[in-house]
Order: sequence, then C-alpha cells, then structure tokens
Amino acid sequence: GAGVSQSPRYKVAKRGQDVALRCDPISGHVSLFWYQQALGQGPEFLTYFQNEAQLDKSGLPSDRFFAERPEGSVSTLKIQRTQQEDSAVYLCASSLVSSGGVTDTQYFGPGTRLTVL
Amino acid sequence: AQSVAQPEDQVNVAEGNPLTVKCTYSVSGNPYLFWYVQYPNRGLQFLLKYITGDNLVKGSYGFEAEFNKSQTSFHLKKPSALVSDSALYFCAVWSGGYNKLIFGAGTRLAVHP
Repeated sequence: GAGVSQSPRYKVAKRGQDVALRCDPISGHVSLFWYQQALGQGPEFLTYFQNEAQLDKSGLPSDRFFAERPEGSVSTLKIQRTQQEDSAVYLCASSLVSSGGVTDTQYFGPGTRLTVL
Repeated sequence: AQSVAQPEDQVNVAEGNPLTVKCTYSVSGNPYLFWYVQYPNRGLQFLLKYITGDNLVKGSYGFEAEFNKSQTSFHLKKPSALVSDSALYFCAVWSGGYNKLIFGAGTRLAVHP
C-alpha cells in the first residue's frame, strides 16, 4: 500500500527565502509528526498533530517555523526567512494513533533535504 | 530526562557472523521501544518494536531485539549478517508524557564480505 510521501525531495533555497514542505500521510492515520534530522544525527521532534489539531509544537526551533494540517490529512511545514542552520532533512511520520501515553508505530516518509545557501 | 544512548558510532561485522547493535534508554513509566533502519537518501524504515509481553521481539529481515528492564537496554541482534544489512540504525523510545519519539544518535553497521 501507499506509504508516507513528501515533496519536494530536495530543496535549495537562498538565505532569506521562504520554503514550504509537504507531507501526505498514510490514509486513515490520525497522528502526524515532523522531525528534523541534521547531518550525522538522529531525528529530533519538531511538532505533532492529532487530526487537524496541533497538540505539541515544542520542538520548533524558532517562530520562523510554522506547521499546519487544516483538514486533518496533508500537512505543510513552512520555514520563513530561511537561515543556513535550517539546512537538514525534514522527516514526516504518521501513525494510526498516538495519544494518552500510548502510540502505534510511526511510519516515515523519505524526507525533504533542505539546503540553504 | 528522557533519553536514548547508542554507545557505538559504528559496528563492523563479517558477513555470516552474528551482529549486535546496542541501545540503552532512560524514560519514566513503561517504555515503548523501536528500532528503525535508514539507507542512504531514504527515510526511516520500521524494523521492530517492544510494547509489552515477551522480552524477545522479532521483526523484519530476520532482526530481533531483547528488552532488558533491569539494564534498561534494547539491543538489536541478527544471527547471521548480510552485506545488504549495511545501513544506519536508530533506536527510539516513545515518550508518552511528551507524545514524541526520542531517537539515539544512530549506529552505522558495516557488514564486510
């Protein structure tokens, strides 16, 4: 079956540009997560949605980062005024449900590699 | 604090030999533990998980992991390594209080012919 898809796979931006990264979760998955993976490191949590509600955005590194999931399916991670330190792979994951201290398996997309020049 | 440690940056093993990739964790409450594998320019692929029940968990591609509560460990194992197992492996723990996966730094597995 179809997995989590992300687009674009690669994005090169000039410093100061705005970018938008898209995530299509597995159909029927209620929970959606965004992670940031710097080179040579493990993924780090950015934000979490339950349907259309953003329940946790504690991992967003600055107010330049914004995420939405308006209809409870597709999600977009937007980065305004990109900086070189934003260069990383941005991973999206979805699961059937993750709440109340329990979780189903999170399935990851291929990621978007963002390079800020 | 919730954390995951993968003490080895790289593990080298000869094809056909058993392999172990180590993981220890620190989390309050009952841990949900996961192993993922990442190939170059690919996302994370789920291998296996421990939620409850038997301490030995079997997963994809012949991998298994043993949950040890007293040692707070969840080591990944495979009886006979393949060259195609060469990849980056991540251990993760679900932090229910924070609704997120916490990942280790990763261990690169190199299987030599």
